[in-house]
Amino acid sequence: GDSVTQMEGPVTLSEEAFLTINCTYTATGYPSLFWYVQYPGEGLQLLLKATKADDKGSNKGFEATYRKETTSFHLEKGSVQVSDSAVYFCALRYNNNDMRFGAGTRLTVKP
Amino acid sequence: DGGITQSPKYLFRKEGQNVTLSCEQNLNHDAMYWYRQDPGQGLRLIYYSQIVNDFQKGDIAEGYSVSREKKESFPLTVTSAQKNPTAFYLCASSPGAGGNSPLHFGNGTRLTVT
Repeated sequence: GDSVTQMEGPVTLSEEAFLTINCTYTATGYPSLFWYVQYPGEGLQLLLKATKADDKGSNKGFEATYRKETTSFHLEKGSVQVSDSAVYFCALRYNNNDMRFGAGTRLTVKP
Repeated sequence: DGGITQSPKYLFRKEGQNVTLSCEQNLNHDAMYWYRQDPGQGLRLIYYSQIVNDFQKGDIAEGYSVSREKKESFPLTVTSAQKNPTAFYLCASSPGAGGNSPLHFGNGTRLTVT
Protein backbone atom coordinates (compact mmCIF):
# COMPACT_ATOMS: atom_id res chain seq x y z
CA GLY A 1 0.00 0.00 0.00
CA ASP A 2 0.86 3.66 -0.16
CA SER A 3 3.27 4.80 2.51
CA VAL A 4 5.66 7.54 3.57
CA THR A 5 9.07 7.07 5.17
CA GLN A 6 10.83 9.88 7.00
CA MET A 7 14.31 10.06 8.41
CA GLU A 8 14.32 9.12 12.05
CA GLY A 9 14.90 11.77 14.61
CA PRO A 10 15.49 13.46 16.76
CA VAL A 11 17.46 16.06 14.85
CA THR A 12 19.37 18.64 16.86
CA LEU A 13 20.87 21.69 15.16
CA SER A 14 22.40 24.98 16.18
CA GLU A 15 20.66 28.19 15.21
CA GLU A 16 21.38 29.26 11.61
CA ALA A 17 22.35 25.74 10.55
CA PHE A 18 21.06 24.15 7.34
CA LEU A 19 18.19 21.71 7.72
CA THR A 20 17.29 18.69 5.64
CA ILE A 21 14.63 16.18 6.63
CA ASN A 22 14.40 13.29 4.18
CA CYS A 23 11.06 11.93 3.01
CA THR A 24 10.43 9.18 0.47
CA TYR A 25 7.14 7.69 -0.56
CA THR A 26 5.70 4.55 -2.09
CA ALA A 27 2.60 5.01 -4.20
CA THR A 28 0.86 3.34 -7.11
CA GLY A 29 0.00 6.63 -8.81
CA TYR A 30 0.88 10.31 -8.54
CA PRO A 31 -0.23 11.67 -5.22
CA SER A 32 0.01 15.18 -3.83
CA LEU A 33 2.69 15.60 -1.19
CA PHE A 34 2.62 17.68 1.97
CA TRP A 35 4.74 18.77 4.90
CA TYR A 36 3.04 19.52 8.20
CA VAL A 37 4.48 20.95 11.41
CA GLN A 38 3.30 20.21 14.94
CA TYR A 39 4.21 22.36 17.94
CA PRO A 40 3.92 20.87 21.45
CA GLY A 41 0.36 20.17 22.53
CA GLU A 42 -1.14 21.35 19.25
CA GLY A 43 -2.59 19.91 16.07
CA LEU A 44 -0.82 19.78 12.71
CA GLN A 45 -0.38 22.88 10.60
CA LEU A 46 0.18 22.75 6.86
CA LEU A 47 3.69 23.98 6.05
CA LEU A 48 3.82 23.45 2.29
CA LYS A 49 2.58 21.21 -0.49
CA ALA A 50 3.25 20.10 -4.07
CA THR A 51 0.71 18.50 -6.36
CA LYS A 52 2.76 17.24 -9.31
CA ALA A 53 6.26 16.22 -10.30
CA ASP A 54 8.93 18.96 -10.20
CA ASP A 55 6.64 21.30 -8.24
CA LYS A 56 8.39 23.14 -5.43
CA GLY A 57 6.43 24.01 -2.32
CA SER A 58 7.74 26.81 -0.12
CA ASN A 59 6.68 28.68 3.01
CA LYS A 60 8.43 30.54 5.86
CA GLY A 61 11.87 29.75 4.40
CA PHE A 62 11.14 26.01 4.08
CA GLU A 63 11.20 24.33 0.67
CA ALA A 64 10.56 20.88 -0.76
CA THR A 65 10.59 19.64 -4.36
CA TYR A 66 8.44 16.78 -5.66
CA ARG A 67 10.90 14.34 -7.26
CA LYS A 68 9.09 11.59 -9.12
CA GLU A 69 12.27 9.88 -10.29
CA THR A 70 13.49 9.36 -6.72
CA THR A 71 9.99 9.32 -5.12
CA SER A 72 11.18 11.92 -2.64
CA PHE A 73 10.00 15.18 -1.07
CA HIS A 74 12.83 16.30 1.20
CA LEU A 75 12.26 19.33 3.44
CA GLU A 76 15.00 21.99 3.53
CA LYS A 77 15.65 25.30 5.22
CA GLY A 78 18.77 27.36 4.82
CA SER A 79 18.97 28.82 8.32
CA VAL A 80 16.91 27.42 11.16
CA GLN A 81 15.74 29.36 14.19
CA VAL A 82 14.93 28.26 17.72
CA SER A 83 11.26 28.85 16.89
CA ASP A 84 11.47 26.10 14.22
CA SER A 85 11.74 23.47 16.96
CA ALA A 86 8.79 21.15 16.39
CA VAL A 87 7.82 17.79 14.91
CA TYR A 88 7.63 17.65 11.11
CA PHE A 89 5.43 15.22 9.20
CA CYS A 90 5.60 14.27 5.55
CA ALA A 91 2.33 13.08 4.00
CA LEU A 92 0.76 12.00 0.73
CA ARG A 93 -2.80 12.07 -0.59
CA TYR A 94 -4.73 11.10 -3.70
CA ASN A 95 -7.97 12.76 -4.82
CA ASN A 96 -10.33 12.87 -1.87
CA ASN A 97 -8.79 9.87 -0.18
CA ASP A 98 -7.41 9.93 3.30
CA MET A 99 -3.92 11.24 3.95
CA ARG A 100 -0.99 8.96 4.77
CA PHE A 101 1.62 10.28 7.19
CA GLY A 102 5.20 9.48 7.99
CA ALA A 103 6.20 8.82 11.60
CA GLY A 104 7.36 12.38 12.14
CA THR A 105 10.79 13.89 12.77
CA ARG A 106 11.44 15.90 15.90
CA LEU A 107 13.67 18.93 15.36
CA THR A 108 15.34 20.81 18.19
CA VAL A 109 17.22 24.01 17.42
CA LYS A 110 19.60 25.28 20.08
CA PRO A 111 20.64 28.92 20.41
CA ASP B 1 -12.20 32.93 11.83
CA GLY B 2 -12.97 29.52 10.38
CA GLY B 3 -11.47 26.47 11.94
CA ILE B 4 -11.86 23.18 13.73
CA THR B 5 -12.65 23.03 17.43
CA GLN B 6 -11.93 19.96 19.51
CA SER B 7 -13.06 19.70 23.07
CA PRO B 8 -12.04 19.10 25.70
CA LYS B 9 -8.27 19.53 25.41
CA TYR B 10 -7.63 16.99 28.19
CA LEU B 11 -9.93 14.14 29.15
CA PHE B 12 -9.56 11.57 31.91
CA ARG B 13 -11.64 8.42 32.22
CA LYS B 14 -11.69 5.21 34.16
CA GLU B 15 -11.21 1.93 32.34
CA GLY B 16 -14.49 0.42 31.18
CA GLN B 17 -16.22 3.73 30.51
CA ASN B 18 -17.19 5.02 27.09
CA VAL B 19 -16.12 8.56 26.28
CA THR B 20 -17.07 10.92 23.45
CA LEU B 21 -14.69 13.44 21.90
CA SER B 22 -16.17 16.47 20.22
CA CYS B 23 -15.15 17.89 16.84
CA GLU B 24 -16.86 20.90 15.23
CA GLN B 25 -15.85 22.75 12.06
CA ASN B 26 -17.12 25.97 10.50
CA LEU B 27 -15.11 25.69 7.29
CA ASN B 28 -18.06 24.27 5.34
CA HIS B 29 -15.95 21.21 4.52
CA ASP B 30 -17.68 18.04 3.39
CA ALA B 31 -15.07 15.55 4.60
CA MET B 32 -14.01 14.96 8.20
CA TYR B 33 -11.47 12.60 9.73
CA TRP B 34 -10.31 11.20 13.06
CA TYR B 35 -6.69 10.27 13.62
CA ARG B 36 -4.92 8.79 16.59
CA GLN B 37 -1.36 9.85 17.42
CA ASP B 38 0.99 7.77 19.54
CA PRO B 39 4.63 8.63 20.22
CA GLY B 40 6.90 7.63 17.35
CA GLN B 41 4.07 6.21 15.23
CA GLY B 42 2.80 9.17 13.29
CA LEU B 43 -0.93 9.46 12.68
CA ARG B 44 -3.25 6.52 12.12
CA LEU B 45 -6.71 6.89 10.62
CA ILE B 46 -9.64 5.77 12.77
CA TYR B 47 -12.73 6.85 10.78
CA TYR B 48 -13.59 9.29 8.05
CA SER B 49 -16.75 10.76 6.57
CA GLN B 50 -17.09 12.30 3.13
CA ILE B 51 -20.73 13.37 3.46
CA VAL B 52 -23.41 13.68 6.11
CA ASN B 53 -24.90 10.40 7.32
CA ASP B 54 -22.06 8.37 5.81
CA PHE B 55 -18.70 7.27 7.21
CA GLN B 56 -16.05 4.61 6.62
CA LYS B 57 -13.64 2.72 8.83
CA GLY B 58 -9.99 3.60 8.70
CA ASP B 59 -7.03 1.45 9.61
CA ILE B 60 -7.73 1.17 13.35
CA ALA B 61 -11.51 1.46 13.77
CA GLU B 62 -11.94 -1.36 16.28
CA GLY B 63 -13.19 -0.08 19.63
CA TYR B 64 -14.33 3.26 18.19
CA SER B 65 -17.60 4.60 16.79
CA VAL B 66 -18.62 7.83 15.05
CA SER B 67 -21.68 9.64 13.76
CA ARG B 68 -22.16 12.36 11.16
CA GLU B 69 -25.64 13.78 11.63
CA LYS B 70 -24.59 17.33 10.77
CA LYS B 71 -22.02 18.64 8.31
CA GLU B 72 -20.30 20.62 11.05
CA SER B 73 -19.95 17.85 13.61
CA PHE B 74 -18.13 14.50 13.71
CA PRO B 75 -17.98 13.15 17.29
CA LEU B 76 -15.84 10.13 18.14
CA THR B 77 -16.77 7.66 20.86
CA VAL B 78 -14.01 5.61 22.42
CA THR B 79 -15.69 2.51 23.75
CA SER B 80 -14.62 0.13 26.49
CA ALA B 81 -13.71 -2.35 23.73
CA GLN B 82 -10.69 -0.24 22.75
CA LYS B 83 -7.80 -2.04 24.40
CA ASN B 84 -5.36 0.85 24.59
CA PRO B 85 -7.32 4.10 24.43
CA THR B 86 -4.79 6.47 26.00
CA ALA B 87 -3.56 8.65 23.13
CA PHE B 88 -3.73 12.05 21.45
CA TYR B 89 -6.73 12.29 19.12
CA LEU B 90 -6.81 14.65 16.17
CA CYS B 91 -9.82 15.67 14.11
CA ALA B 92 -9.38 17.06 10.60
CA SER B 93 -11.48 18.24 7.67
CA SER B 94 -11.07 18.97 3.99
CA PRO B 95 -13.20 20.20 1.08
CA GLY B 96 -15.08 17.24 -0.31
CA ALA B 97 -14.97 17.59 -4.03
CA GLY B 98 -12.04 17.75 -6.40
CA GLY B 99 -8.32 18.21 -6.07
CA ASN B 100 -5.81 17.02 -3.55
CA SER B 101 -6.63 19.45 -0.79
CA PRO B 102 -4.71 19.55 2.46
CA LEU B 103 -6.33 18.49 5.69
CA HIS B 104 -7.06 21.14 8.29
CA PHE B 105 -6.53 19.97 11.86
CA GLY B 106 -7.95 20.83 15.24
CA ASN B 107 -5.71 21.17 18.27
CA GLY B 108 -6.42 17.70 19.52
CA THR B 109 -7.77 16.00 22.63
CA ARG B 110 -5.43 14.10 24.93
CA LEU B 111 -7.30 11.16 26.44
CA THR B 112 -5.96 9.35 29.47
CA VAL B 113 -7.66 6.17 30.65
CA THR B 114 -6.61 4.65 33.96
